[in-house]
Amino acid sequence: GAVVSQHPSRVICKSGTSVKIECRSLDFQATTMFWYRQFPKQSLMLMATSNEGSKATYEQGVEKDKFLINHASLTLSTLTVTSAHPEDSSFYICSARQGFSGTEAFFGQGTRLTVV
Amino acid sequence: GIQVEQSPPDLILQEGANSTLRCNFSDSVNNLQWFHQNPWGQLINLFYIPSGTKQNGRLSATTVATERYSLLYISSSQTTDSGVYFCAVTGGGNKLTFGTGTQLKVEL
Repeated sequence: GAVVSQHPSRVICKSGTSVKIECRSLDFQATTMFWYRQFPKQSLMLMATSNEGSKATYEQGVEKDKFLINHASLTLSTLTVTSAHPEDSSFYICSARQGFSGTEAFFGQGTRLTVV
Repeated sequence: GIQVEQSPPDLILQEGANSTLRCNFSDSVNNLQWFHQNPWGQLINLFYIPSGTKQNGRLSATTVATERYSLLYISSSQTTDSGVYFCAVTGGGNKLTFGTGTQLKVEL
């Protein structure tokens, strides 16, 4: 299967600072990338969908000024958590697919963010 | 948006037992995938199965798109099968929506 690499796998930051998470598709070009957030014992909640070269589409209730998503190339998307606070602590996972809705999606390893 | 419900929410099995996990969705889909999330959080792709039946070793899956459900079968379960199983679907748009998950524990 296709490989999606996400870094870092774990990050601890101080409250008020910003953190950037990278998501790369290593062996395919990702037309669409997704960012999810997962709290303990819960399912994955979609935060935003991004297509290469265009602005991300955010889900209702997700602050786009706080969670900045950039999909600058067909192999790289980044999520920046700005002015992080303890309530932003969570597990963030990216996903990429080569085509649109009918194609298979592949997932990165996830990033565990802890804001202290 | 599309709703995805999985059952049962929790399942405990003895090693060697068989099980069936169910995924119900509220609208027509053009993509359905099954995943296993391991204890480190990594999502492992099990099946890409918008319709029909597939098998991979001890696992198999069936999607009946017209009746809006999918089933994941695990035979001869092993302790390494423990973890959370998710189905995820894409409906008319481009979003991949996850189900509620089934937490599986396989005991010796």
